[in-house]
Amino acid sequence: EVQLLESGGGLVQPGGSLRLSCAASGFTFSSYAMSWVRQAPGKGLEWVSGFSPGGGGTYYADSVKGRFTISRDNSKSTLYLQMNSLRAEDTALYYCAKGFYRSLSGVDYWGQGTLVTVSS
Amino acid sequence: QSVLTQPPSASGTPGQRVTISCSGSNSNIGSNTVNWYHQLPGTAPKLLLYSNNQRPSGVPDRFSGSKSGTSASLAISGLQSEDEADYYCAAWDDSLNGYVFGTGTKVTVL
Repeated sequence: EVQLLESGGGLVQPGGSLRLSCAASGFTFSSYAMSWVRQAPGKGLEWVSGFSPGGGGTYYADSVKGRFTISRDNSKSTLYLQMNSLRAEDTALYYCAKGFYRSLSGVDYWGQGTLVTVSS
Repeated sequence: QSVLTQPPSASGTPGQRVTISCSGSNSNIGSNTVNWYHQLPGTAPKLLLYSNNQRPSGVPDRFSGSKSGTSASLAISGLQSEDEADYYCAAWDDSLNGYVFGTGTKVTVL
């Protein structure tokens, strides 16, 4: 059974940093593309970043480019999102999502999310 | 802001058929397959359809999808109360080099 468990969310001041983690199990993590998707309170879904396996590259939404960094540790089956220079508009529930095998063209499983609140 | 446009709401009575549209462009729907997700209140989204019209295991055949040019649609036939949820389309965008979601449609069962 695929399981994705996010952690690391919390309250942070504008301009601050936070690192999110996503512990994956139930599939061969190293073989799958992984993404972060967020949802601001009462709003729709926004894809934030994706990481293809095997050197396929990292991708970011324009809204976070230059501020967020996605990474993965295949030995720990864990996905990360380093978030710097946080803004109020980054406040959202952040979901970790598993891709369709090696492709970032879709996600099929989601975690329960971790809440990030950017406020002074 | 979303690059895929959906109607904000749709509704029907139990047993009716409801259709949700998703409008995009050549760089997303026109070039790549469309996926659909639904999200019950307070829960994480779940994959409903992939590759335009394929159902993952466990999704009833009441849900169907289609794509034509730069638009796609999701149809729910035999509407049931448990279908009340938010529905999102999504596709990879070759220009943005990112995965884009639709604006979302709230389905209400009257």
